[in-house]
Amino acid sequence: AQTVTQSQPEMSVQEAETVTLSCTYDTSESDYYLFWYKQPPSRQMILVIRQEAYKQQNATENRFSVNFQKAAKSFSLKISDSQLGDAAMYFCAYRRGYTGGFKTIFGAGTRLFVKA
Amino acid sequence: KAGVTQTPRYLIKTRGQQVTLSCSPISGHRSVSWYQQTPGQGLQFLFEYFSETQRNKGNFPGRFSGRQFSNSRSEMNVSTLELGDSALYLCASSLTGDVLDIQYFGAGTRLSVL
Repeated sequence: AQTVTQSQPEMSVQEAETVTLSCTYDTSESDYYLFWYKQPPSRQMILVIRQEAYKQQNATENRFSVNFQKAAKSFSLKISDSQLGDAAMYFCAYRRGYTGGFKTIFGAGTRLFVKA
Repeated sequence: KAGVTQTPRYLIKTRGQQVTLSCSPISGHRSVSWYQQTPGQGLQFLFEYFSETQRNKGNFPGRFSGRQFSNSRSEMNVSTLELGDSALYLCASSLTGDVLDIQYFGAGTRLSVL
């Protein structure tokens, strides 16, 4: 069975600094997709960034980038120039397709605090 | 365009009762997934519907069921409620239901079982 592990329950970063959130996963599949989601205190989850496992190039979305190490099954999220609005729960997620559908498995989450 | 709407936002029930939660996806979206979020277990996949058909199901007992209507709106039902069913239930919709499709989440329904 696939699993997703986020070993940092909480992280803290100073405004304008850089922080890296860790995620490891376990799978025997070669074709899958990885995501980072953000859940602010208002609870609505939004997609931050996604990565296709077959792509070696790390995904980047503005201040958010990932370090995808397929062999090590590691998928960390780097937030540069942290802003107060980045404070939230961050979930790492693994998704694979099945015939006619898909299933997403989430990590336990990392709560990020941003200090002014 | 309106986002994913979940109703009600809050529910209080007692053990043994049943409950129905509703999810209206973004207009045009055909895939709806349901998740249970608890502090101890995190987010767990319940099931996914596409064009009124359940395509995938998570590891939950048969007390958890769902359905999707022809307009893509979805409901999930939990029968014989247990204290452990207290959770935030999230619904997410996507346009095509493809594995790489972006899922848009609703704000959730907070269920408390007393």
